[in-house]
Amino acid sequence: GQSLEQPSEVTAVEGAIVQINCTYQTSGFYGLSWYQQHDGGAPTFLSYNALDGLEETGRFSSFLSRSDSYGYLLLQELQMKDSASYFCAVRDHNYGQNFVFGPGTRLSVLP
Amino acid sequence: EPEVTQTPSHQVTQMGQEVILRCVPISNHLYFYWYRQILGQKVEFLVSFYNNEISEKSEIFDDQFSVERPDGSNFTLKIRSTKLEDSAMYFCASSEEERYNYGYTFGSGTRLTVV
Repeated sequence: GQSLEQPSEVTAVEGAIVQINCTYQTSGFYGLSWYQQHDGGAPTFLSYNALDGLEETGRFSSFLSRSDSYGYLLLQELQMKDSASYFCAVRDHNYGQNFVFGPGTRLSVLP
Repeated sequence: EPEVTQTPSHQVTQMGQEVILRCVPISNHLYFYWYRQILGQKVEFLVSFYNNEISEKSEIFDDQFSVERPDGSNFTLKIRSTKLEDSAMYFCASSEEERYNYGYTFGSGTRLTVV
């Protein structure tokens, strides 16, 4: 089977740094993606990690440890507009290499 | 910036009726997908489509569902004999071949309400 776990909610203040963790269990792991979704909007691609390590894209960074079946999304210099749901998604061989999404983490950024 | 277009944005249908959700993927993309999201829940994979045929489908995608690429631009999801539990946001997505580092581009979704 397959499972992904994320915290359901995270709250932080403007300017802070927040880390959203994702753990997964699957026999067919290829890579891990992160998507952002604002209320009523479509998921928007943020990052993809196929190899261990940290990928940085502006204020957002994503980390993967394949040996620990773990990844995280790091958001720096938080802004109010970062308030959204964040989904990790595993590219899974058992699903034809399609992405399977986690339950999502709702991030609330407070002033 | 290229985008995936979905129509209609909102569809209300009576239980037992058939609906067709329409999508226009990005023109140079080769892989197409349908996902759905029940309100407040996670995004669930339904089906992927490549080279004019289904490449993978989930257990959700049973005989009630079908997909079609009727011409060079449209990609449709048909739901036959709709049920109340089919009420959800349906997202179409597309991607370039094997460009996983670019992710999927999702459309804005069609909110299906079955009454």
